[in-house]
Amino acid sequence: DAKTTQPTSMDCAEGRAANLPCNHSTISGNEYVYWYRQIHSQGPQYIIHGLKNNETNEMASLIITEDRKSSTLILPHATLRDTAVYYCIVLSPNTGNQFYFGTGTSLTVIP
Amino acid sequence: DAGITQSPRYKITETGRQVTLMCHQTWSHSYMFWYRQDLGHGLRLIYYSAAADITDKGEVPDGYVVSRSKTENFPLTLESATRSQTSVYFCASRTGLNTEAFFGQGTRLTVV
Repeated sequence: DAKTTQPTSMDCAEGRAANLPCNHSTISGNEYVYWYRQIHSQGPQYIIHGLKNNETNEMASLIITEDRKSSTLILPHATLRDTAVYYCIVLSPNTGNQFYFGTGTSLTVIP
Repeated sequence: DAGITQSPRYKITETGRQVTLMCHQTWSHSYMFWYRQDLGHGLRLIYYSAAADITDKGEVPDGYVVSRSKTENFPLTLESATRSQTSVYFCASRTGLNTEAFFGQGTRLTVV
């Protein structure tokens, strides 16, 4: 199953773009990359997911490299309410297509 | 209200007691899940269910029992609570295995 590696923590200035990297070098061709976030012990919140192409929604953009070994979640204009732990997850048939959460990246948006 | 709700939000119980955490979703999602989250850790999958009357173990099933007699409900029972089961428990649901999951707000359980 594809493991993910994320930095433990990051800071971002309010109003600037937050770029959160994720490494998933062992990802297979049919495995999706999902991003969730968890704000202060609330239930995790779905952000975005993708397979090969870059994706954008009202919350964020997901950039997946051409070789699919890494991706970046972009929050275009970070606000204080974006302070959270962000989880990058690879959904794999090898693990029953279950969401297995690592420890994520703790993003702090600074005023 | 539409969505996924957990009850109770907070629970304190004594070691050895049986306690049941409730999860209810209004979307008729096929899949439902229970996770636990301990301080400083990510979420770990306890049990999941693909449909009514179909359940399967996750990463950390020991000490827990689940049932799913109705699509919308997925209760989690601790048959004899232990202090190591003090945690925050999250329920989630999905329509299918390649779709996003929606999470409840969590139940904070303390076993004393």
